[in-house]
Amino acid sequence: GAVVSQHPSWVICKSGTSVKIECRSLDFQATTMFWYRQFPKQSLMLMATSNEGSKATYEQGVEKDKFLINHASLTLSTLTVTSAHPEDSSFYICSARDLSRGASDTEAFFGQGTRLTVV
Amino acid sequence: DQQVKQNSPSLSVQEGRISILNCDYTNSMFDYFLWYKKYPAEGPTFLISISSIKDKNEDGRFTVFLNKSAKHLSLHIVPSQPGDSAVYFCAASVEGNTPLVFGKGTRLSVIA
Repeated sequence: GAVVSQHPSWVICKSGTSVKIECRSLDFQATTMFWYRQFPKQSLMLMATSNEGSKATYEQGVEKDKFLINHASLTLSTLTVTSAHPEDSSFYICSARDLSRGASDTEAFFGQGTRLTVV
Repeated sequence: DQQVKQNSPSLSVQEGRISILNCDYTNSMFDYFLWYKKYPAEGPTFLISISSIKDKNEDGRFTVFLNKSAKHLSLHIVPSQPGDSAVYFCAASVEGNTPLVFGKGTRLSVIA
């Protein structure tokens, strides 16, 4: 089945530094990937839609200059948290759908998630 | 404004009995609904889905029911097993390569 791999699974960084999170679709091509964020005991909230070869689309309230998204190939999207602060500490998850199977109503596959802690 | 609501934050069920997790939605444009299971510090794992043209979909111990007029869906797990203990998220989307909208999740505890 389709697999989405996310790396790293956890990272601790100092305030003011930047952190890059990678999301790869391992056995299918994903022209679109989605980045979510989950706070403790909360739902997964969509942050942005990553589009291969074009600019990402950000949800309201998400700073595009802080959360840089690059979707340089059909199998890789990266999320860079720039100048990280403790309030950016959260669980970040990427997702993609394998549309090669023809149906538009297919399940979304999720990466393993990245636990970011900013100290 | 939550478009997908899971009003029960937690549910405890005896092993072997039925678990029923509920979900309501407000956006009538949603036409595809999914249930995911999630453990702490892991990504969600797909369980079962249902298209709006159906009212029931079954896969082993898992059955999802959709009531479009009530904008309500439910996940039935029977028989429940201790390994089913996790947080269950209801999600919905519109047609196409669109993001999922999630509920807040229900923590299921299956007691042996």
